[in-house]
Amino acid sequence: DAGVIQSPRHEVTEMGQEVTLRCKPISGHNSLFWYRQTMMRGLELLIYFNNNVPIDDSGMPEDRFSAKMPNASFSTLKIQPSEPRDSAVYFCASSLRSANEKLFFGSGTQLSVL
Amino acid sequence: DQQVKQNSPSLSVQEGRISILNCDYTNSMFDYFLWYKKYPAEGPTFLISISSIKDKNEDGRFTVFLNKSAKHLSLHIVPSQPGDSAVYFCAASAGANSKLTFGKGITLSVRP
Repeated sequence: DAGVIQSPRHEVTEMGQEVTLRCKPISGHNSLFWYRQTMMRGLELLIYFNNNVPIDDSGMPEDRFSAKMPNASFSTLKIQPSEPRDSAVYFCASSLRSANEKLFFGSGTQLSVL
Repeated sequence: DQQVKQNSPSLSVQEGRISILNCDYTNSMFDYFLWYKKYPAEGPTFLISISSIKDKNEDGRFTVFLNKSAKHLSLHIVPSQPGDSAVYFCAASAGANSKLTFGKGITLSVRP
């Protein structure tokens, strides 16, 4: 099993541009999570899906952030327009069933917004 | 409002000695706790967990202790090895289908 696959690994963009982060969860996992890691706030949950349905998006910072999961093997996190304060490492994770189980994380996307 | 607190940002330990990483929580509804380890440029990986019905769980060199009355848990690594040098995150959840809340992490350095 290849694990959770995220792309791109690194993204450098200019303020105001649209950014799209991609994630492929582990096959057979029913829950998918988007986390953001910063020095100030540590690992924050942005949104999680169960069976492709968004369950909790209370961590999404504002309307500039949106996430989709069109099928069981793909999810995107979009930021539009991006701002310098969005610079962080964004992790995708999946779990077999529910939100409080062992999570399997991808390697993350390092986002820098200039 | 940090519900899971890892108050020490870093810890340095001599190889072969014990590493003790601490974690405090404020939400009395938390009933499941996990530790994750993270190497640079990689995602966190699951290390060990404990349910609130237990006060200790052991897996090889790693032991997690839970003190519910103090709302405190700790991860013990014995003996510590240089390969244990990483960031360690404590996480907690409050029941099935509730999300994990992570602490900010502790950077452990094991000196050869």
